[in-house]
Amino acid sequence: SAVISQKPSRDICQRGTSLTIQCQVDSQVTMMFWYRQQPGQSLTLIATANQGSEATYESGFVIDKFPISRPNLTFSTLTVSNMSPEDSSIYLCSVRDRNDEKLFFGSGTQLSVL
Amino acid sequence: QKEVEQDPGPLSVPEGAIVSLNCTYSNSAFQYFMWYRQYSRKGPELLMYTYSSGNKEDGRFTAQVDKSSKYISLFIRDSQPSDSATYLCAMSEANFNKFYFGSGTKLNVKP
Repeated sequence: SAVISQKPSRDICQRGTSLTIQCQVDSQVTMMFWYRQQPGQSLTLIATANQGSEATYESGFVIDKFPISRPNLTFSTLTVSNMSPEDSSIYLCSVRDRNDEKLFFGSGTQLSVL
Repeated sequence: QKEVEQDPGPLSVPEGAIVSLNCTYSNSAFQYFMWYRQYSRKGPELLMYTYSSGNKEDGRFTAQVDKSSKYISLFIRDSQPSDSATYLCAMSEANFNKFYFGSGTKLNVKP
């Protein structure tokens, strides 16, 4: 399975600021995704990060709030913009190769917004 | 109704017990079923993966799928304190366009 490095592992941020989370994979992967995990709730897909083009966002998530970059097949970033306390959550990078049905996750970023 | 339902627990058992974790789902198109283990402050780790109905065994872990009842289970034999974690079920249709997750069951195995 791919080794996924995600950073920062945690951060405490002030309301109104932005945080960029990085995801680095040790091999080229077709699909990269960003999930949010709130306490006691299931994982929610934010968007699919598309290499070389705009990300595909799920209902309820918009590019202005969660801009995503994916410059190549091993790296992606998620920015949480203009943060509010409601954005406090765990953010997870995940990957899947097109020919492999298994989904793998990074170690997550614990975000707290004051 | 949620696509996937999972009892959040917490579930507390003594060391050595057999643990049964379960999920139900509503979408009959789901074909692939997964169990993830998530330790505190870590990302989910893929534990078991099954396709369609039946059983799959890996060491102390057995994954069971009953598509007729839309019910999946994960059994842990001889549970250990190191098994204490949150267990998430996940499933997808054959096209893998989207994965659907349960909310997770928190398991505590007491020494």
